[in-house]
Amino acid sequence: AQSVSQHNHHVILSEAASLELGCNYSYGGTVNLFWYVQYPGQHLQLLLKYFSGDPLVKGIKGFEAEFIKSKFSFNLRKPSVQWSDTAEYFCAVNWPVEYGNKLVFGAGTILRVKS
Amino acid sequence: EAGVAQSPRYKIIEKRQSVAFWCNPISGHATLYWYQQILGQGPKLLIQFQNNGVVDDSQLPKDRFSAERLKGVDSTLKIQPAKLEDSAVYLCASSFQRGSYNEQFFGPGTRLTVL
Repeated sequence: AQSVSQHNHHVILSEAASLELGCNYSYGGTVNLFWYVQYPGQHLQLLLKYFSGDPLVKGIKGFEAEFIKSKFSFNLRKPSVQWSDTAEYFCAVNWPVEYGNKLVFGAGTILRVKS
Repeated sequence: EAGVAQSPRYKIIEKRQSVAFWCNPISGHATLYWYQQILGQGPKLLIQFQNNGVVDDSQLPKDRFSAERLKGVDSTLKIQPAKLEDSAVYLCASSFQRGSYNEQFFGPGTRLTVL
């Protein structure tokens, strides 16, 4: 069955530190990739997405992610985090119709940024 | 534009009781999803509707869970009878159409506690 792995469940950083959150998925095919974010007390919202083209995608609030097909990875990055980036981050993968066409989420990474 | 609405936001019941959750998707969105998010895990798809028809309910525990979307707009998810392991946040999401290219918009969720 399809699965999505996020490498760290909890990450603590100081403001201005660089961030990289790992995400790997179980196998290939033409997938669509997403990062969602959930700020404290708010609902899940889309941070960025990759469908095709340039494997380096930019999202809101200075986040970017790189798709590496050979590694089945879609890691999230931000050069300099802010206290307001404290949130839970979910990687999600949507496989094509022949693999069920459903959005599968990783377990999430809770990021705490110390001011 | 108004987002996905869900009610109630919180519900506490005892095991073997029944409970129902309501969702009103974004206006014009044909596809509606119900997810279950257990603490420490990512959201897991329970059921997907396209208009008022079920597209995928392969992960819905049909012996106790049911869902409907009678007029192709709002939807109700029911659990009867509830078990302790049903304690989770139940998320509703909607998208303009089916397919992996369509962004899903999430509601605030209903946090269910089964005692």
